[in-house]
Amino acid sequence: EADIYQTPRYLVIGTGKKITLECSQTMGHDKMYWYQQDPGMELHLIHYSYGVNSTEKGDLSSESTVSRIRTEHFPLTLESARPSHTSQYLCASTWAGGTGELFFGEGSRLTVL
Amino acid sequence: QQQVKQSPQSLIVQKGGISIINCAYENTAFDYFPWYQQFPGKGPALLIAIRPDVSEKKEGRFTISFNKSAKQFSLHIMDSQPGDSATYFCAAWGSGTYKYIFGTGTRLKVLA
Repeated sequence: EADIYQTPRYLVIGTGKKITLECSQTMGHDKMYWYQQDPGMELHLIHYSYGVNSTEKGDLSSESTVSRIRTEHFPLTLESARPSHTSQYLCASTWAGGTGELFFGEGSRLTVL
Repeated sequence: QQQVKQSPQSLIVQKGGISIINCAYENTAFDYFPWYQQFPGKGPALLIAIRPDVSEKKEGRFTISFNKSAKQFSLHIMDSQPGDSATYFCAAWGSGTYKYIFGTGTRLKVLA
């Protein structure tokens, strides 16, 4: 079982609130990713990181921001949530010297009212 | 050149039948082709993967067939079971790159 954890699993908030989705992994992986996914639908890469102090935007434009201050931690922040941000957010990680297997967390389901 | 095209979008199979999902890629730099299985409310998990130096890999009821010249690969689920009902994603990865390219997913339903 993968050692990658996301909190909260479920979050319902009002429009305009600031939220942070947490992602931590204990595998020492250098590469980490955030995907946005509507239920059972495509995985859209919104952010990724090569390592500490490295962050890049993904293929899908997102109003969220990320930081990577520690190897194991890759939080995602929405400064002002809107209903259009309602979705599932999946965090994943892998390491450069490995097989390429991507390990996913169980996701954070966000609902913005 | 970065796309991975997956079909079908959805699939319904009778219990005991064979489920087949196909993917095609364009970038010949890819060298790792995994399949991920995702159950509702969960993150995707690696099911089986293949490298382009082999044409087939089998793990239990799951087989990947790989055609390097056609730039296609497929997942075969033999003796499909209701517990196999999930969304399946193919993907492609190149060593030294930073990200996966995922297919659009196939929702499989196996009828009891």
